[in-house]
Amino acid sequence: EAGVVQSPRYKIIEKKQPVAFWCNPISGHNTLYWYLQNLGQGPELLIRYENEEAVDDSQLPKDRFSAERLKGVDSTLKIQPAELGDSAVYLCASSPRTSGSYNEQFFGPGTRLTVL
Amino acid sequence: SQQGEEDPQALSIQEGENATMNCSYKTSINNLQWYRQNSGRGLVHLILIRSNEREKHSGRLRVTLDTSKKSSSLLITASRAADTASYFCATVTGRRALTFGSGTRLQVQP
Repeated sequence: EAGVVQSPRYKIIEKKQPVAFWCNPISGHNTLYWYLQNLGQGPELLIRYENEEAVDDSQLPKDRFSAERLKGVDSTLKIQPAELGDSAVYLCASSPRTSGSYNEQFFGPGTRLTVL
Repeated sequence: SQQGEEDPQALSIQEGENATMNCSYKTSINNLQWYRQNSGRGLVHLILIRSNEREKHSGRLRVTLDTSKKSSSLLITASRAADTASYFCATVTGRRALTFGSGTRLQVQP
């Protein structure tokens, strides 16, 4: 079974430029998550999708970040314009449909973003 | 915001020794999970313990949960060099999203 796929793995851009990250979750997983992980810290949730609906985007900085999950499968996270403080690893995760309190998540390898 | 706090922040042991990591959290939870992250790789789920459970085992892993103290511990027995990684506890609340701690960096010396 293929895992969560993310691309690109690494991205270097100059500040004020736009950037986009792509995620393909495990087949059949209805729930998709985007996390941000700063160096030496644990991941922090940015947005959670149930199918194509964003059910929790309270931590997403909506002035510059946007996300979409058309057709409830692949997802794209965009930053426009990027700032120096956005340098981090962006992780995508997926899980089967939420039921009860079981919530194991499967993570992709992440995209390491460097903003110069 | 980080829900959990791991202790210690870093741990260095010899191969064959046991490693114990602790996690404290702030709010009531549905379950608590432990994840491992190797350098340059994604997070891998290790074990999940529900709020009504007190102890759980998986191979060389033993997890305990004390909801009255809002704390959990992860014990890795007979450690190996391949166990070198960062270990994160993550809690699940009613929002069904994982809230991670800041992690314990474990170094197992061969």
